[in-house]
Amino acid sequence: EPEVTQTPSHQVTQMGQEVILRCVPISNHLYFYWYRQILGQKVEFLVSFYNNEISEKSEIFDDQFSVERPDGSNFTLKIRSTKLEDSAMYFCASNRGNSPLHFGNGTRLTVT
Amino acid sequence: DQQVKQNSPSLSVQEGRISILNCDYTNSMFDYFLWYKKYPAEGPTFLISISSIKDKNEDGRFTVFLNKSAKHLSLHIVPSQPGDSAVYFCAARAGGAGNNRKLIWGLGTSLAVNP
Repeated sequence: EPEVTQTPSHQVTQMGQEVILRCVPISNHLYFYWYRQILGQKVEFLVSFYNNEISEKSEIFDDQFSVERPDGSNFTLKIRSTKLEDSAMYFCASNRGNSPLHFGNGTRLTVT
Repeated sequence: DQQVKQNSPSLSVQEGRISILNCDYTNSMFDYFLWYKKYPAEGPTFLISISSIKDKNEDGRFTVFLNKSAKHLSLHIVPSQPGDSAVYFCAARAGGAGNNRKLIWGLGTSLAVNP
């Protein structure tokens, strides 16, 4: 069964550094998402992406965040200047639209 | 933001018995509800969903019940198996056009099924 794949599985970075989290959605999916889960807290929506543009974003997704689909397969989340509170599990997901989300296994981001 | 609440952080049941996981919501605009299962070191996996126009949806051992007047839904697993041990998340989606609207999640309930 096709899977959403995320790399790296764990990323450690220093505060103020830029990070790029990478995702390869399922190939025939059209909608792409980023969610995050801070340890002990709820899974939170960050952004959805369709037809090469953001379709919805949360208040968490401020100017420090950006998403890109640089080619036909990758979907990336960039955090320009990381803060301690950005430490979380970041989940990428995709779907065809009228179907449940398929999630990757996540990238654990640790900001020190 | 407590729009979706799972008040039991954990649940323990014996293999073969019924597991009942509960979820409450406050937003009357939610029109679609989903349950996801999550194993450690993996992403959430879709389990079962229900539209607000229904009150029950069944898929094998899994049944979701929706009580709109009480703003309550529950997931029943019968019979429970040790492989069902995982964290179960309730999630909801508000109404409006577009199937890619954001999901609002509960905190999850950790289910342990004991052999």
